[in-house]
Amino acid sequence: GQNIDQPTEMTATEGAIVQINCTYQTSGFNGLFWYQQHAGEAPTFLSYNVLDGLEEKGRFSSFLSRSKGYSYLLLKELQMKDSASYLCAVTDSNYQLIWGAGTKLIIKP
Amino acid sequence: IAGITQAPTSQILAAGRRMTLRCTQDMRHNAMYWYRQDLGLGLRLIHYSNTAGTTGKGEVPDGYSVSRANTDDFPLTLASAVPSQTSVYFCASSDNPGQGQETQYFGPGTRLLVL
Repeated sequence: GQNIDQPTEMTATEGAIVQINCTYQTSGFNGLFWYQQHAGEAPTFLSYNVLDGLEEKGRFSSFLSRSKGYSYLLLKELQMKDSASYLCAVTDSNYQLIWGAGTKLIIKP
Repeated sequence: IAGITQAPTSQILAAGRRMTLRCTQDMRHNAMYWYRQDLGLGLRLIHYSNTAGTTGKGEVPDGYSVSRANTDDFPLTLASAVPSQTSVYFCASSDNPGQGQETQYFGPGTRLLVL
């Protein structure tokens, strides 16, 4: 079966760095997405990785290792507004998006 | 209209009633999707449409039906609602399905409670 694993919840301090991990087992791979979802709102696109390595976009970076079925989202200089759920999703061989349950990130002052 | 709109925002529905959730996009995207999101579970695909006039079943299609008469609208119908259909429903769209870097854009969601 297809499976995406993320930690359920993480806590970090304002101004710090946090890494949210995602491991996946899917039938084929055509890319990995990270989305951000604030409570009560819709998911919004953060990043896309299809090749191994690190993609940096401002305070957010996303890493992919296809051989390990592993990705992480790195958030730097955390702000209170970064409190949200972070969803990992993989595009499988049929180009369907398979979603993880999301990681709820709590930022404390 | 900018992006994707959904209606209603929320609804309380008696079990056994019929309900249609509306979704409209103004981005001229080819593909549209319906997901449900439940606590502790990832987004689960109910139905999708890669282009106007075609639809397909997702992971959890039972009890739901869709139609895609034109590019902009993709309504989701619950023929006879049951309590297990209590959920948050998100409509999404993307421009070119079948490509890896195919970002999906989401509507604000409909919160449905079936009693």
